[in-house]
Amino acid sequence: GIQVEQSPPDLILQEGANSTLRCNFSDSVNNLQWFHQNPWGQLINLFYIPSGTKQNGRLSATTVATERYSLLYISSSQTTDSGVYFCAVARDYGGATNKLIFGTGTLLAVQP
Amino acid sequence: ETGVTQTPRHLVMGMTNKKSLKCEQHLGHNAMYWYKQSAKKPLELMFVYSLEERVENNSVPSRFSPECPNSSHLFLHLHTLQPEDSALYLCASSQEGSGNTIYFGEGSWLTVV
Repeated sequence: GIQVEQSPPDLILQEGANSTLRCNFSDSVNNLQWFHQNPWGQLINLFYIPSGTKQNGRLSATTVATERYSLLYISSSQTTDSGVYFCAVARDYGGATNKLIFGTGTLLAVQP
Repeated sequence: ETGVTQTPRHLVMGMTNKKSLKCEQHLGHNAMYWYKQSAKKPLELMFVYSLEERVENNSVPSRFSPECPNSSHLFLHLHTLQPEDSALYLCASSQEGSGNTIYFGEGSWLTVV
């Protein structure tokens, strides 16, 4: 099956700093999503981005499908950005979609 | 995100008990999912119900039994669980078709004693 690797596994930032999280995947996909898991366990969808670039406030993401990686950028980080960031991928070809394969996540801690 | 609600949020059960987790989605979606998150392991898809198909991860033991009575409700019936089944169980929903984001509930924390 498809392997998903995320780096770095852990990241500590001072408030206001910028960061880049990376997701590598081992095979072609047509579904890639980034999530933030808060300390209470809920997964919040940040981006659906199988290719190209998207921005939402201080967050942006870029996926280069041909090179099998995606990047999540966090600018001017805030303490509320702390948590675990997951990348998840799938190959959706008919049938049920969103049969996602998750990476192991990046644990981000933003210090005041 | 309050579009997908799960109950109970926390559950402690003995190995001989039978319990159920409930999920309801208010987003008008036509696909629902159970994912499992164990400590030190990636999230793992357990079951999918959609218009197109029901998908089952073959590695999920038979002591987990899903039920989807309609497109808005999903249950996970639990019986004779093991301590290693202790985990966060996440329900999700999406609208079938390409380019459709998946939305997760807040999860049910399960402890098997």
